[in-house]
Amino acid sequence: EPEVTQTPSHQVTQMGQEVILRCVPISNHLYFYWYRQILGQKVEFLVSFYNNEISEKSEIFDDQFSVERPDGSNFTLKIRSTKLEDSAMYFCASKTGSDGYTFGSGTRLTVV
Amino acid sequence: QKEVEQNSGPLSVPEGAIASLNCTYSDRGSQSFFWYRQYSGKSPELIMSIYSNGDKEDGRFTAQLNKASQYVSLLIRDSQPSDSATYLCAVEDYGGSQGNLIFGKGTKLSVKP
Repeated sequence: EPEVTQTPSHQVTQMGQEVILRCVPISNHLYFYWYRQILGQKVEFLVSFYNNEISEKSEIFDDQFSVERPDGSNFTLKIRSTKLEDSAMYFCASKTGSDGYTFGSGTRLTVV
Repeated sequence: QKEVEQNSGPLSVPEGAIASLNCTYSDRGSQSFFWYRQYSGKSPELIMSIYSNGDKEDGRFTAQLNKASQYVSLLIRDSQPSDSATYLCAVEDYGGSQGNLIFGKGTKLSVKP
């Protein structure tokens, strides 16, 4: 069964450092997403991406965040200057037009 | 602010029983609804989607939708210990152009052998 793959599975970074989280969506999917889940809290929408541009972003997705699809397969989330409160699980998801959203296995980001 | 509400549980049922999970949503215009299962430390895994009023069955799972009451439920028949997980209700929001999911906090289900 096709999968959304995410790397790394766990990233530890110092406060103020930049991190890049990587995702490879399912190949025939057109719509891409980043979500995050702080420990013990609900899954929250960050940003959606289609046709090489952002479709929608949440209030969480401020100027320290950016997304990119640098080639035909990868989809990245960059956090420019990490804060302690950025510690969370980050999930990439993708979908075709009408199906449910398929989530990757996630990247656990720990900011120290 | 569009909201999805779930009883956080924990919901405890004996093995072989029916587990009933409930969800309400605030946006009357919502059209697409999803149930995800999330094991501790893992990603959400799609169980079922439902778009029309009524019941939709897939194996031991039945999703029920009542748009007039803004209510979605998931029944798990013959519950197994492996069903122990947090069940997330998600509603698709089309406030933007391509949609995105709004999740509830999830209901933690524990199936006792």
